[in-house]
Amino acid sequence: AQKITQTQPGMFVQEKEAVTLDCTYDTSDPSYGLFWYKQPSSGEMIFLIYQGSYDQQNATEGRYSLNFQKARKSANLVISASQLGDSAMYFCAMREGWSQGNLIFGKGTKLSVKP
Amino acid sequence: SQTIHQWPATLVQPVGSPLSLECTVEGTSNPNLYWYRQAAGRGLQLLFYSVGIGQISSEVPQNLSASRPQDRQFILSSKKLLLSDSGFYLCAWSARNYGYTFGSGTRLTVV
Repeated sequence: AQKITQTQPGMFVQEKEAVTLDCTYDTSDPSYGLFWYKQPSSGEMIFLIYQGSYDQQNATEGRYSLNFQKARKSANLVISASQLGDSAMYFCAMREGWSQGNLIFGKGTKLSVKP
Repeated sequence: SQTIHQWPATLVQPVGSPLSLECTVEGTSNPNLYWYRQAAGRGLQLLFYSVGIGQISSEVPQNLSASRPQDRQFILSSKKLLLSDSGFYLCAWSARNYGYTFGSGTRLTVV
């Protein structure tokens, strides 16, 4: 079974609107971390936001917020006020167990922002 | 501040030739180091990770090997490249209280 599932291969959003990118995860470990990365066409992986399994509040970083629903095992990324520069691949990833373990990635969602 | 360097940025190699990709980290000590590969249009697949000098764990048996000769140096190698080794290779590091930071990647094309 997949550990990280991103069901949206591609998404379109109008500039200045908000968009939600879905991510569900599967783990039996009570301690885990969830990450979102942005990958523009240049290929670099840019860290966006992190949510720990014991964090009580949803993580926010500027225009990025993570809608963490632990019981549903979902960690959706919300981008507010989309910009043309947000067009990129977005990957959800999970780290299970110990603090420096391997990151397991989803297959990604390609976001296209329309002017 | 911590930085990660990965080179070369692009590489075109013939089938059967050797490979050596290098990754170095600055500004931290005893980091965990990782090699990932990304096939075209796909997510990242972990190839190797290392928790210390000379300690290498392989996640996927294949034509590649990794070595960590120094604390902040991680090398990905192959003795004979296959066509299926083509892809985008990313090095990453992590340390306690820090997230995972990726290098800029190497785009390898085996011809």
